[in-house]
Amino acid sequence: EAGVTQSPTHLIKTRGQQVTLRCSPISGHTSVYWYQQALGLGLQFLLWYDEGEERNRGNFPPRFSGRQFPNYSSELNVNALELEDSALYLCASSLYKVGGETQYFGPGTRLLVL
Amino acid sequence: AQKVTQAQTEISVVEKEDVTLDCVYETRDTTYYLFWYKQPPSGELVFLIRRNSFDEQNEISGRYSWNFQKSTSSFNFTITASQVVDSAVYFCALTLGSSNTGKLIFGQGTTLQVKP
Repeated sequence: EAGVTQSPTHLIKTRGQQVTLRCSPISGHTSVYWYQQALGLGLQFLLWYDEGEERNRGNFPPRFSGRQFPNYSSELNVNALELEDSALYLCASSLYKVGGETQYFGPGTRLLVL
Repeated sequence: AQKVTQAQTEISVVEKEDVTLDCVYETRDTTYYLFWYKQPPSGELVFLIRRNSFDEQNEISGRYSWNFQKSTSSFNFTITASQVVDSAVYFCALTLGSSNTGKLIFGQGTTLQVKP
């Protein structure tokens, strides 16, 4: 069974640009989660989508946004990139039942903002 | 508020030594879930174990074992007879069950280096 996939693996952008990251969940999973892992800041929750709806977002500015498609894949968009957006962006998926389900992670997208 | 603390930033051991990674959590919720993940240099978080707040049984899986103690709010992870392939960053995480936010709250991680 294929795991969570993410694309691209690496990205280099300059300040002020916009970027789109993509994630495909494990087959059968309806929930997709996004996390940011920046140097020195640990793993921080960004967004949670389930059945096409945004269910929760972390403490990030509105320039971080995303969506989930009918096939449950997801995009994370970051507008007006800043240097501190440089990080590993991890996507995870799970079956959503009542909460507390295991989140399975993809390999991540490494974003460097110059 | 919820919080996970992994006080050990880095641990270095020699192969075949046993090593314990500590995890202490804080929550007022009675229903919650605890996890351990492994992050090798490639970056992907690999799921190791999930435990709910009502199940305090310890678990053993091969060389890995986990000790969950609600009395001390700890969920420690022991690797027996460590191997070089165990070298990675290990994260402990918490999520709530009763007020499901979908959010995993991670500790800061413990970097384990196993030397040959």
